[in-house]
Amino acid sequence: GAVVSQHPSRVICKSGTSVKIECRSLDFQATTMFWYRQFPKQSLMLMATSNEGSKATYEQGVEKDKFLINHASLTLSTLTVTSAHPEDSSFYICSAPKQGAVYEQYFGPGTRLTVT
Amino acid sequence: QKEVEQNSGPLSVPEGAIASLNCTYSDRVSQSFFWYRQYSGKSPELIMSIYSNGDKEDGRFTAQLNKASQYVSLLIRDSQPSDSATYLCAVFTSGTYKYIFGTGTRLKVLA
Repeated sequence: GAVVSQHPSRVICKSGTSVKIECRSLDFQATTMFWYRQFPKQSLMLMATSNEGSKATYEQGVEKDKFLINHASLTLSTLTVTSAHPEDSSFYICSAPKQGAVYEQYFGPGTRLTVT
Repeated sequence: QKEVEQNSGPLSVPEGAIASLNCTYSDRVSQSFFWYRQYSGKSPELIMSIYSNGDKEDGRFTAQLNKASQYVSLLIRDSQPSDSATYLCAVFTSGTYKYIFGTGTRLKVLA
């Protein structure tokens, strides 16, 4: 397998503040990482594809100015939720594919964001 | 038609039985196929990957792929209560560099 870490695991913030979530691939390099959001009892929803050294690609309906993504190195991508609101409360999960014949994708442990 | 379809369940099986989880996909050029297990409140964990037609076994898990029928399945032998989780099927296409997930099948293994 492969290891992807995510920090913090839980965060509570006040409405209007910004929160940064870090995603790291610990034992492989990842030119691409993905950011997902999952609401309780719902499916994973892909928010954006993070590309090392270039702009992220956002899925339809995801506000790029609200969810800022930076992929500054081959092992680190960050997601910043700006001006958070209670409706942004969710489980945010990053993933990184390990390139090879099969392109196995490994998930971080997730970050539970609660906006009060 | 959804790109990746799974029965949402719940699928209930007695402890020790074989659990059979199924997934169909619509894109014929899909190349790699994955099964993830997700416990409530946790992130998905990769349990099997397969890209060639046929069976692939790993411990109690067997993945089966039939590209002609666009069908992939996961068998769990000797099911344990700890296998109770949601199982996600995912399909990867290198041309689009996209992973498409099914909505998951909830498995309950009854002790």
